Amino acid sequence: NAGVTQTPKFQVLKTGQSMTLQCAQDMNHNSMYWYRQDPGMGLRLIYYSASEGTTDKGEVPNGYNVSRLNKREFSLRLESAAPSQTSVYFCASRLFGQGTTYEQYFGPGTRLTVT
Amino acid sequence: KNQVEQSPQSLIILEGKNCTLQCNYTVSPFSNLRWYKQDTGRGPVSLTIMTFSENTKSNGRYTATLDADTKQSSLHITASQLSDSASYICVVSASNDYKLSFGAGTTVTVRA
Repeated sequence: NAGVTQTPKFQVLKTGQSMTLQCAQDMNHNSMYWYRQDPGMGLRLIYYSASEGTTDKGEVPNGYNVSRLNKREFSLRLESAAPSQTSVYFCASRLFGQGTTYEQYFGPGTRLTVT
Repeated sequence: KNQVEQSPQSLIILEGKNCTLQCNYTVSPFSNLRWYKQDTGRGPVSLTIMTFSENTKSNGRYTATLDADTKQSSLHITASQLSDSASYICVVSASNDYKLSFGAGTTVTVRA
Protein backbone atom coordinates (compact mmCIF):
# COMPACT_ATOMS: atom_id res chain seq x y z
CA ASN A 1 0.00 0.00 0.00
CA ALA A 2 1.96 2.99 -1.29
CA GLY A 3 -0.62 5.64 -0.27
CA VAL A 4 -0.33 8.76 -2.45
CA THR A 5 2.52 8.87 -4.95
CA GLN A 6 3.66 11.82 -7.06
CA THR A 7 6.03 12.15 -9.98
CA PRO A 8 8.38 13.80 -10.56
CA LYS A 9 9.92 14.81 -7.23
CA PHE A 10 11.81 17.75 -8.73
CA GLN A 11 11.45 19.68 -11.99
CA VAL A 12 12.99 22.76 -13.52
CA LEU A 13 11.17 24.43 -16.39
CA LYS A 14 11.83 27.43 -18.56
CA THR A 15 9.13 30.07 -18.86
CA GLY A 16 6.57 28.99 -21.45
CA GLN A 17 7.28 25.28 -21.23
CA SER A 18 4.54 22.82 -20.35
CA MET A 19 4.49 19.80 -18.11
CA THR A 20 2.18 17.40 -16.30
CA LEU A 21 2.47 16.41 -12.66
CA GLN A 22 1.24 12.91 -11.99
CA CYS A 23 -0.54 11.67 -8.86
CA ALA A 24 -1.91 8.26 -7.96
CA GLN A 25 -3.51 6.76 -4.85
CA ASP A 26 -4.17 3.14 -4.00
CA MET A 27 -6.55 3.66 -1.06
CA ASN A 28 -9.78 3.59 -3.12
CA HIS A 29 -10.48 7.21 -2.18
CA ASN A 30 -13.17 9.07 -4.09
CA SER A 31 -11.81 12.62 -3.67
CA MET A 32 -8.46 13.94 -4.85
CA TYR A 33 -6.83 17.36 -4.56
CA TRP A 34 -3.96 19.45 -5.87
CA TYR A 35 -2.39 22.09 -3.64
CA ARG A 36 0.53 24.43 -3.89
CA GLN A 37 2.62 25.52 -0.93
CA ASP A 38 4.60 28.74 -0.90
CA PRO A 39 6.83 30.06 1.90
CA GLY A 40 4.86 31.76 4.70
CA MET A 41 1.52 30.72 3.28
CA GLY A 42 -0.82 27.86 3.97
CA LEU A 43 -1.50 25.21 1.39
CA ARG A 44 -3.74 26.62 -1.29
CA LEU A 45 -6.14 24.51 -3.29
CA ILE A 46 -5.63 24.59 -7.04
CA TYR A 47 -8.20 22.04 -8.22
CA TYR A 48 -10.05 19.14 -6.74
CA SER A 49 -12.03 16.15 -7.91
CA ALA A 50 -14.86 15.17 -5.60
CA SER A 51 -15.34 11.90 -7.43
CA GLU A 52 -14.28 10.16 -10.61
CA GLY A 53 -15.48 12.12 -13.60
CA THR A 54 -15.75 15.50 -11.86
CA THR A 55 -13.27 18.33 -11.35
CA ASP A 56 -13.71 21.77 -9.80
CA LYS A 57 -11.64 24.90 -9.37
CA GLY A 58 -10.13 25.70 -6.05
CA GLU A 59 -8.67 28.92 -4.72
CA VAL A 60 -5.86 29.43 -7.28
CA PRO A 61 -6.75 27.62 -10.56
CA ASN A 62 -5.39 30.13 -13.11
CA GLY A 63 -2.64 28.68 -15.28
CA TYR A 64 -3.48 25.06 -14.45
CA ASN A 65 -5.63 22.28 -15.82
CA VAL A 66 -6.43 18.89 -14.33
CA SER A 67 -7.60 15.48 -15.46
CA ARG A 68 -9.18 12.80 -13.28
CA LEU A 69 -8.05 9.92 -15.45
CA ASN A 70 -9.73 7.25 -13.33
CA LYS A 71 -10.43 6.70 -9.65
CA ARG A 72 -6.73 6.27 -8.85
CA GLU A 73 -5.11 9.03 -10.91
CA PHE A 74 -5.38 12.83 -10.90
CA SER A 75 -2.94 14.85 -12.99
CA LEU A 76 -2.10 18.57 -12.95
CA ARG A 77 -0.96 20.30 -16.13
CA LEU A 78 0.87 23.58 -16.56
CA GLU A 79 0.30 24.64 -20.16
CA SER A 80 2.71 27.59 -20.22
CA ALA A 81 4.80 27.77 -17.08
CA ALA A 82 5.47 31.12 -15.43
CA PRO A 83 7.96 32.03 -12.68
CA SER A 84 4.97 32.67 -10.36
CA GLN A 85 4.26 28.95 -10.53
CA THR A 86 7.52 28.12 -8.78
CA SER A 87 6.27 26.25 -5.75
CA VAL A 88 5.95 22.88 -4.06
CA TYR A 89 2.93 20.96 -5.30
CA PHE A 90 1.11 18.40 -3.19
CA CYS A 91 -1.46 15.89 -4.25
CA ALA A 92 -3.87 14.53 -1.64
CA SER A 93 -6.74 12.09 -1.45
CA ARG A 94 -9.61 11.49 0.90
CA LEU A 95 -12.60 9.22 1.36
CA PHE A 96 -15.47 11.69 1.48
CA GLY A 97 -18.90 10.75 2.72
CA GLN A 98 -20.98 9.60 5.66
CA GLY A 99 -19.13 7.80 8.39
CA THR A 100 -15.63 8.50 7.18
CA THR A 101 -12.76 9.60 9.41
CA TYR A 102 -12.21 12.71 7.30
CA GLU A 103 -8.55 11.81 7.01
CA GLN A 104 -6.75 13.36 4.07
CA TYR A 105 -3.51 11.80 2.92
CA PHE A 106 -0.80 13.77 1.18
CA GLY A 107 1.84 12.75 -1.32
CA PRO A 108 5.53 13.62 -0.87
CA GLY A 109 5.35 16.71 -3.09
CA THR A 110 6.87 17.94 -6.35
CA ARG A 111 9.29 20.85 -6.11
CA LEU A 112 8.93 22.93 -9.29
CA THR A 113 11.17 25.79 -10.32
CA VAL A 114 10.32 27.95 -13.32
CA THR A 115 13.17 30.12 -14.61
CA LYS B 1 -8.67 37.02 4.96
CA ASN B 2 -7.54 33.55 5.92
CA GLN B 3 -10.19 31.65 7.84
CA VAL B 4 -7.55 29.84 9.91
CA GLU B 5 -4.96 31.83 11.84
CA GLN B 6 -2.06 30.21 13.68
CA SER B 7 0.31 31.59 16.28
CA PRO B 8 3.14 31.93 16.84
CA GLN B 9 4.62 31.87 13.35
CA SER B 10 7.70 30.14 14.73
CA LEU B 11 9.24 29.14 18.02
CA ILE B 12 12.42 27.62 19.37
CA ILE B 13 12.43 25.36 22.41
CA LEU B 14 15.00 23.28 24.24
CA GLU B 15 14.82 19.51 24.07
CA GLY B 16 12.66 18.14 26.88
CA LYS B 17 10.56 21.30 27.27
CA ASN B 18 6.86 21.65 26.49
CA CYS B 19 5.19 24.06 24.09
CA THR B 20 1.72 25.03 22.95
CA LEU B 21 0.63 26.15 19.51
CA GLN B 22 -2.57 28.11 18.87
CA CYS B 23 -5.16 28.03 16.10
CA ASN B 24 -8.16 30.34 15.70
CA TYR B 25 -10.69 29.80 12.95
CA THR B 26 -13.80 31.36 11.48
CA VAL B 27 -14.86 28.45 9.25
CA SER B 28 -18.59 27.79 9.52
CA PRO B 29 -20.52 25.53 9.77
CA PHE B 30 -17.78 23.62 11.50
CA SER B 31 -17.22 19.94 10.80
CA ASN B 32 -13.79 18.97 12.05
CA LEU B 33 -10.34 20.29 12.86
CA ARG B 34 -7.05 18.53 12.20
CA TRP B 35 -3.49 19.12 13.17
CA TYR B 36 -0.82 18.03 10.70
CA LYS B 37 2.94 17.71 11.13
CA GLN B 38 5.06 18.53 8.10
CA ASP B 39 8.74 17.63 8.15
CA THR B 40 11.02 19.60 5.85
CA GLY B 41 10.74 18.34 2.28
CA ARG B 42 7.80 16.04 3.00
CA GLY B 43 4.04 16.08 2.77
CA PRO B 44 1.88 16.81 5.83
CA VAL B 45 1.01 13.88 8.07
CA SER B 46 -2.06 13.87 10.30
CA LEU B 47 -1.59 14.04 14.08
CA THR B 48 -5.16 14.43 15.32
CA ILE B 49 -8.68 14.95 14.01
CA MET B 50 -11.44 16.36 16.21
CA THR B 51 -15.11 16.76 15.48
CA PHE B 52 -17.54 19.19 17.10
CA SER B 53 -18.25 16.92 20.06
CA GLU B 54 -14.62 16.29 20.97
CA ASN B 55 -12.66 18.77 23.08
CA THR B 56 -9.39 16.91 23.50
CA LYS B 57 -7.48 14.22 21.68
CA SER B 58 -4.01 12.82 22.21
CA ASN B 59 -1.49 11.13 19.96
CA GLY B 60 1.53 10.15 22.04
CA ARG B 61 3.21 13.35 23.23
CA TYR B 62 0.84 15.48 21.17
CA THR B 63 -2.43 16.68 22.74
CA ALA B 64 -4.91 18.79 20.84
CA THR B 65 -7.78 20.71 22.40
CA LEU B 66 -10.81 22.24 20.76
CA ASP B 67 -13.23 24.89 21.98
CA ALA B 68 -15.92 25.03 19.32
CA ASP B 69 -17.69 27.88 21.12
CA THR B 70 -14.72 30.25 20.90
CA LYS B 71 -13.45 28.62 17.68
CA GLN B 72 -10.03 27.97 19.11
CA SER B 73 -7.73 24.97 19.17
CA SER B 74 -4.32 24.31 20.64
CA LEU B 75 -1.66 21.67 20.13
CA HIS B 76 0.49 20.87 23.12
CA ILE B 77 3.81 19.07 22.68
CA THR B 78 5.11 17.41 25.84
CA ALA B 79 8.75 16.64 26.54
CA SER B 80 9.88 17.78 23.12
CA GLN B 81 12.38 15.78 21.08
CA LEU B 82 14.66 16.82 18.26
CA SER B 83 12.38 14.93 15.87
CA ASP B 84 9.54 17.30 16.77
CA SER B 85 11.27 19.99 14.70
CA ALA B 86 8.75 20.57 11.92
CA SER B 87 5.93 22.78 10.74
CA TYR B 88 2.57 22.19 12.43
CA ILE B 89 -0.49 23.03 10.39
CA CYS B 90 -4.05 23.57 11.61
CA VAL B 91 -6.71 22.57 9.08
CA VAL B 92 -10.45 23.15 9.42
CA SER B 93 -13.25 21.59 7.43
CA ALA B 94 -16.76 22.95 6.99
CA SER B 95 -19.72 20.60 6.99
CA ASN B 96 -20.40 18.86 3.70
CA ASP B 97 -17.54 20.71 2.03
CA TYR B 98 -14.92 18.91 0.01
CA LYS B 99 -12.48 21.75 0.58
CA LEU B 100 -10.30 22.39 3.62
CA SER B 101 -9.02 25.65 5.09
CA PHE B 102 -5.35 25.63 6.01
CA GLY B 103 -3.44 27.76 8.46
CA ALA B 104 0.00 29.04 7.45
CA GLY B 105 1.62 26.79 10.06
CA THR B 106 3.88 27.19 13.08
CA THR B 107 7.51 26.22 12.61
CA VAL B 108 8.90 24.52 15.71
CA THR B 109 12.64 24.13 16.19
CA VAL B 110 13.83 21.90 19.02
CA ARG B 111 17.43 22.46 20.11
CA ALA B 112 19.62 20.11 22.11
